[in-house]
Amino acid sequence: DTGVSQDPRHKITKRGQNVTFRCDPISEHNRLYWYRQTLGQGPEFLTYFQNEAQLEKSRLLSDRFSAERPKGSFSTLEIQRTEQGDSAMYLCASSLDRAGGYNEQFFGPGTRLTVL
Amino acid sequence: GEDVEQSLFLSVREGDSSVINCTYTDSSSTYLYWYKQEPGAGLQLLTYIFSNMDMKQDQRLTVLLNKKDKHLSLRIADTQTGDSAIYFCAEKGTNAGKSTFGDGTTLTVKP
Repeated sequence: DTGVSQDPRHKITKRGQNVTFRCDPISEHNRLYWYRQTLGQGPEFLTYFQNEAQLEKSRLLSDRFSAERPKGSFSTLEIQRTEQGDSAMYLCASSLDRAGGYNEQFFGPGTRLTVL
Repeated sequence: GEDVEQSLFLSVREGDSSVINCTYTDSSSTYLYWYKQEPGAGLQLLTYIFSNMDMKQDQRLTVLLNKKDKHLSLRIADTQTGDSAIYFCAEKGTNAGKSTFGDGTTLTVKP
């Protein structure tokens, strides 16, 4: 396994369009995370899954955003009716959860979204 | 809520030591991390420290943790031009899913 992969790497869309991003985690990892990073800032947490269950969502995740992980493997993040303020790098990470123990998050290369 | 603060820029000469500082607010933070991000690349975990430790050394990297003051630092010995990047401090609680990141410190290494 070569790590976390994300597709596409770049997406340019017009305001009002819907976009969907895909993340493939490291195969044995049961946790999957989505973060958003804008220029000059650190990653901001959006949501995470343990297997197929979505356990936490940030208040940043408005009702235009939806994430799924239907079979506990890959995940999709959809943004409906995109706005210029959605322009950012969307990062996916995965980890192998050890209850009460240390679990390192491995990050993918990100999908850069530009909304015109 | 949780907050992590870092100074934005640091410039050093090649061969000098670099010290990047970070403060955090969440007293329940259990894990504290340093990540490196190079242009066009993803986040790379450099090192981490548990909250019950004061210091961790890993080759050229030394992490110091002052839990009382909620202050974390990363020292890079013999800094090289290849160390030029953005360095992010992050924290995570024991049972938390998410990590909370600072806004990054841009390290510039001059030859």
